Amino acid sequence: ETGVTQTPRHLVMGMTNKKSLKCEQHLGHNAMYWYKQSAKKPLELMFVYSLEERVENNSVPSRFSPECPNSSHLFLHLHTLQPEDSALYLCASSRQVGQNTEAFFGQGTRLTVV
Amino acid sequence: DAKTTQPPSMDCAEGRAANLPCNHSTISGNEYVYWYRQIHSQGPQYIIHGLKNNETNEMASLIITEDRKSSTLILPHATLRDTAVYYCIVREYNAGNMLTFGGGTRLMVKP
Repeated sequence: ETGVTQTPRHLVMGMTNKKSLKCEQHLGHNAMYWYKQSAKKPLELMFVYSLEERVENNSVPSRFSPECPNSSHLFLHLHTLQPEDSALYLCASSRQVGQNTEAFFGQGTRLTVV
Repeated sequence: DAKTTQPPSMDCAEGRAANLPCNHSTISGNEYVYWYRQIHSQGPQYIIHGLKNNETNEMASLIITEDRKSSTLILPHATLRDTAVYYCIVREYNAGNMLTFGGGTRLMVKP
């Protein structure tokens, strides 16, 4: 138990569906992140939020839309995904973005696009 | 750009020390060495980090060479639950947690 909770743990969706991934942390952290881990590939940073403001967007397609309503919650809204978007999506949090502190990761959501 | 190089896989006998090497020959003076691990189907877990001195915590020890071009993560008494992919990451002090993961080393601890 890392203090970062992701729901759902598993999700199967069609290419025309709209779904959302949720991440929640009660560690008092100000920074939250979305990572993508595809099969046989390293983790890729997708989005970074600091105090609910997006500070990094690593050329992620617009079919992925993040939302950070407060410093404890982070969402990833999904629409019209492709089968190659099937992956493990990981959320992480840390005390601050620009400090030398460890990141705490959630268990991830295993997404399958059919 | 890959800032670190790690062997893709290693085996270790249960109860023995696991020594995981990492090369970071282009490391700059203000960059730290971080280690994370990822057990199958779970999120990565922070292990340890250091700048130039050797570090030890309840999970592992980190040995950094004097020239800082390589380091070794040591798990002193590996258990089956230490089977995971271990990532060595180099980043600046103020780079926050925009971690860049490479391929890591898949450590298999065998009975």
